[in-house]
Amino acid sequence: AQKITQTQPGMFVQEKEAVTLDCTYDTSDQSYGLFWYKQPSSGEMIFLIYQGSYDEQNATEGRYSLNFQKARKSANLVISASQLGDSAMYFCAMRELNSGYSTLTFGKGTMLLVSP
Amino acid sequence: EAGVAQSPRYKIIEKRQSVAFWCNPISGHATLYWYQQILGQGPKLLIQFQNNGVVDDSQLPKDRFSAERLKGVDSTLKIQPAKLEDSAVYLCASSLVGGPQETQYFGPGTRLLVL
Repeated sequence: AQKITQTQPGMFVQEKEAVTLDCTYDTSDQSYGLFWYKQPSSGEMIFLIYQGSYDEQNATEGRYSLNFQKARKSANLVISASQLGDSAMYFCAMRELNSGYSTLTFGKGTMLLVSP
Repeated sequence: EAGVAQSPRYKIIEKRQSVAFWCNPISGHATLYWYQQILGQGPKLLIQFQNNGVVDDSQLPKDRFSAERLKGVDSTLKIQPAKLEDSAVYLCASSLVGGPQETQYFGPGTRLLVL
């Protein structure tokens, strides 16, 4: 089974609007972390936001927030006030503890296009 | 603070040739990762080093891929011989000690095309 599922291959949004990118995950671990990365066309993976499984509040970083619903095993990324520079691939990733070291597993990504 | 450096940025080779990629992590980062990202997919971990020791290489095709991290700093990833399906972006990342809440910082990647 897929550990990270991103069901939206592509999303379109107009500048200044908010957009939600979906991510569901599958794990039997109690302790895990969820990450979102942005990958522009240049190829570099840029860290956006982190949510720990024991964090009670949703993570926020500037215009990025993570809508964490533990019972549903979802960790959706919300980008407020979209900008043209937000056009990129977005990857959801999960880290589970494995023999004391942690492995980061990525989803297939969602391409976000922001139009003027 | 300098980020993760990788070279070359692009490489085109013919199948059955060999190729090597280089990575210099962020200064002081003990953990180094190599990922393979095939077009249209998310990155997949190939190998993880803690200092100069291998922590996880379960997804590394060891018949053709090898990696080393001498002195616990720079790392090289080698493919010999290359196959068409090795065409991908190879990403190097590093983190401070490899803890579960740590952010991994990625380099710009090396785009490999095998003809």
